[in-house]
Amino acid sequence: SQKIEQNSEALNIQEGKTATLTCNYTNYSPAYLQWYRQDPGRGPVFLLLIRENEKEKRKERLKVTFDTTLKQSLFHITASQPADSATYLCALGSSNTGKLIFGQGTTLQVKP
Amino acid sequence: DSGVTQTPKHLITATGQRVTLRCSPRSGDLSVYWYQQSLDQGLQFLIQYYNGEERAKGNILERFSAQQFPDLHSELNLSSLELGDSALYFCASSLKGGNSPLHFGNGTRLTVT
Repeated sequence: SQKIEQNSEALNIQEGKTATLTCNYTNYSPAYLQWYRQDPGRGPVFLLLIRENEKEKRKERLKVTFDTTLKQSLFHITASQPADSATYLCALGSSNTGKLIFGQGTTLQVKP
Repeated sequence: DSGVTQTPKHLITATGQRVTLRCSPRSGDLSVYWYQQSLDQGLQFLIQYYNGEERAKGNILERFSAQQFPDLHSELNLSSLELGDSALYFCASSLKGGNSPLHFGNGTRLTVT
């Protein structure tokens, strides 16, 4: 069955460093991959989308890579700030349906 | 503010009961999604509608049903409730489905006692 794996352990980093989160998947050939941020008690908020034919996407301090051979996406936050502390979810979708499947998320804690 | 409105915010009910969760999508969005989030399961896709028609289905229980109305709002009906149904239920909307980003509401927290 389709499986999406994100680091279940929280990631703790120092302010100013680059945070790197991993999303691996199996038994799936997604047409695109999305990253979301979720704060406690709130709905996820869309951050970035990358398509299967794209290797890298950037938006301000955020960068996403997508390697369909390794079946992996990396999500980077450069110059991290305490306000970046949240849970980050990756989600995979196919082109023929709107079904978007989410990973369990990785919690990032940025310490001042 | 995502523009997606979910009501009620909180719901406490007893086992065996039936509840209805309501979602108003963001203005202009045609597609509505329902997700269930519990601590041990993460965000689980339940069902998607596009312009009133069911588009995709996830692991939605037979006790659960949903619909999207002509004005595009959606309702999720949960019946014969069990303790394990306690969770956060999120509605999301997108412009047209496919690879469009999802805009989530802040959820309805359901507690079954």
